Amino acid sequence: GAGVSQSPRYKVAKRGQDVALRCDPISGHVSLFWYQQALGQGPEFLTYFQNEAQLDKSGLPSDRFFAERPEGSVSTLKIQRTQQEDSAVYLCASSFTGRSDQPQHFGDGTRLSIL
Amino acid sequence: ILNVEQSPQSLHVQEGDSTNFTCSFPSSNFYALHWYRWETAKSPEALFVMTLNGDEKKKGRISATLNTKEGYSYLYIKGSQPEDSATYLCASPEGSSGATNKLIFGTGTLLAVQP
Repeated sequence: GAGVSQSPRYKVAKRGQDVALRCDPISGHVSLFWYQQALGQGPEFLTYFQNEAQLDKSGLPSDRFFAERPEGSVSTLKIQRTQQEDSAVYLCASSFTGRSDQPQHFGDGTRLSIL
Repeated sequence: ILNVEQSPQSLHVQEGDSTNFTCSFPSSNFYALHWYRWETAKSPEALFVMTLNGDEKKKGRISATLNTKEGYSYLYIKGSQPEDSATYLCASPEGSSGATNKLIFGTGTLLAVQP
């Protein structure tokens, strides 16, 4: 498809389980971002890739969160030993140039619920 | 830490009303200001990216202005329609070099347009 694709759209997991969220960016887009949006808040930056290189992971809330983009296209955000506070919408975005004066193109998000 | 604020938090208008809302950001180290529209069950859609003080951008009935010296941007919607109902998010990149794509988002303005 032409847009950013995220899967699954919805994920329910029990506390303590590991989850993996997938993002397929727009073809040819160099930069890829992950954001976390908690209820009533704006999206919060988690991490950023330029091709396969993870250039900024300052927003990852703990070492339970891990992201990768091994071939510079599809990315996976993994959360280990999930906690209830991990419940949120996880958004992925991509951009062509990686410059901050260019818009980011978002997927529909994955809504994660931890029971 | 960059702080982006939006007001009001929510807005209810009648079809045909014109409306506007505000995004404020630190005026020092400014590089760019992004506006996104996020409809329920869809992905955030880029409306504008603005970089120059005094810049005005327009897309159909929606327009935006930018004042970097005083640190604010206004988004205007002329003749609101029910399909304009969405959360409007603004964001600014952290840092002034343009090399960082770490967007800091406001909490959004939720607009509901009643027919």
